[in-house]
Amino acid sequence: GAVVSQHPSWVICKSGTSVKIECRSLDFQATTMFWYRQFPKQSLMLMATSNEGSKATYEQGVEKDKFLINHASLTLSTLTVTSAHPEDSSFYICSATRQILAKNIQYFGAGTRLSVL
Amino acid sequence: RKEVEQDPGPFNVPEGATVAFNCTYSNSASQSFFWYRQDCRKEPKLLMSVYSSGNEDGRFTAQLNRASQYISLLIRDSKLSDSATYLCVVREYNNNDMRFGAGTRLTVKP
Repeated sequence: GAVVSQHPSWVICKSGTSVKIECRSLDFQATTMFWYRQFPKQSLMLMATSNEGSKATYEQGVEKDKFLINHASLTLSTLTVTSAHPEDSSFYICSATRQILAKNIQYFGAGTRLSVL
Repeated sequence: RKEVEQDPGPFNVPEGATVAFNCTYSNSASQSFFWYRQDCRKEPKLLMSVYSSGNEDGRFTAQLNRASQYISLLIRDSKLSDSATYLCVVREYNNNDMRFGAGTRLTVKP
């Protein structure tokens, strides 16, 4: 079964609206979660590292005021795309690291396909 | 230079063929290495970790060459269900973020 749950899986919105995406770790606590963006036929690009109880760490070139991240609990991180525009249309994927047999394995959510009209 | 580079393909092979993917990484401090598989419009899923001594999981064999900063994935006896994009992933430190290659697309044909 899924280890990381991401919701919604698909969203269509009008330009200028804000969209919130949730990422939940199931049955384990994740102090750190990661948010990626993937454009068609391109690789996943890390946007930010979400830290429970503190501010997210953003990668260079990612606007923190546009992509708001809130890691309010040990099992939930949210990404809000504020004032979305068509160029924000992309596949957004979250991930969380789970320790299994002393190894840190990163599990991904199913992704959210955002289409901004 | 990209942190993780892969041949994008596509690789089109017949069923039963053996196919190999290569990947190079630029950060010599990288500690952990993985191959992920991503189906179209789906999330990446861990295929296998890559260990220094090389490791095998069924039809899949992964190799790591730290000196050359090179990783490979070999798939033997290809199945139709192997068709996917294979992502080379490198992690610098434990618990740290992962860097992805752009992926190599494989299509296995009957």
